[in-house]
Amino acid sequence: GIQVEQSPPDLILQEGANSTLRCNFSDSVNNLQWFHQNPWGQLINLFYIPSGTKQNGRLSATTVATERYSLLYISSSQTTDSGVYFCAVVLTGANNLFFGTGTRLTVIP
Amino acid sequence: DTAVSQTPKYLVTQMGNDKSIKCEQNLGHDTMYWYKQDSKKFLKIMFSYNNKELIINETVPNRFSPKSPDKAHLNLHINSLELGDSAVYFCASSPAQAARGYTFGSGTRLTVV
Repeated sequence: GIQVEQSPPDLILQEGANSTLRCNFSDSVNNLQWFHQNPWGQLINLFYIPSGTKQNGRLSATTVATERYSLLYISSSQTTDSGVYFCAVVLTGANNLFFGTGTRLTVIP
Repeated sequence: DTAVSQTPKYLVTQMGNDKSIKCEQNLGHDTMYWYKQDSKKFLKIMFSYNNKELIINETVPNRFSPKSPDKAHLNLHINSLELGDSAVYFCASSPAQAARGYTFGSGTRLTVV
């Protein structure tokens, strides 16, 4: 089956710092999404980004589908950015998401 | 106006019991899902369902069964609960094509004692 690996597994940042989270996937995909799971456990959809670059405030994401990776950029991090970030992919012809291993981000004041 | 709502939020039960988790979506989506998040935070698909087809992850024990009374609901029934079933269960929905616009419920934390 498809492998979806994220790095780093854990990241601790000082408030205001920038970071880049990476997602590598082993097969061609039809869809890639980034989610944030906040400390209360809620999964929030950040980006639907099968290819190209998108930006939403302090967050941006880039997917290079031909090279099978995606990057999530967080700028000027805030304590509310803490939580676990997941990328998830959908294979061609399917609808369900295959989740990555996650990156746990802790932003300290 | 919660888009995908699940109940209950917490469920504590004894081994061997049968329990259900309810899920409802008001987004008009065609496809609904159940995901399981284990103690290591790994999320894995259990079922996907639209009005035509139920797709079951082959690793899911047959003690778990989804039931959909209509397009807006997909409930999860679990028979003969085991300790290893303890996890957080998420319901989700999406439009029919390529899972764009996935929306998750807030999760149900199941603890089997």
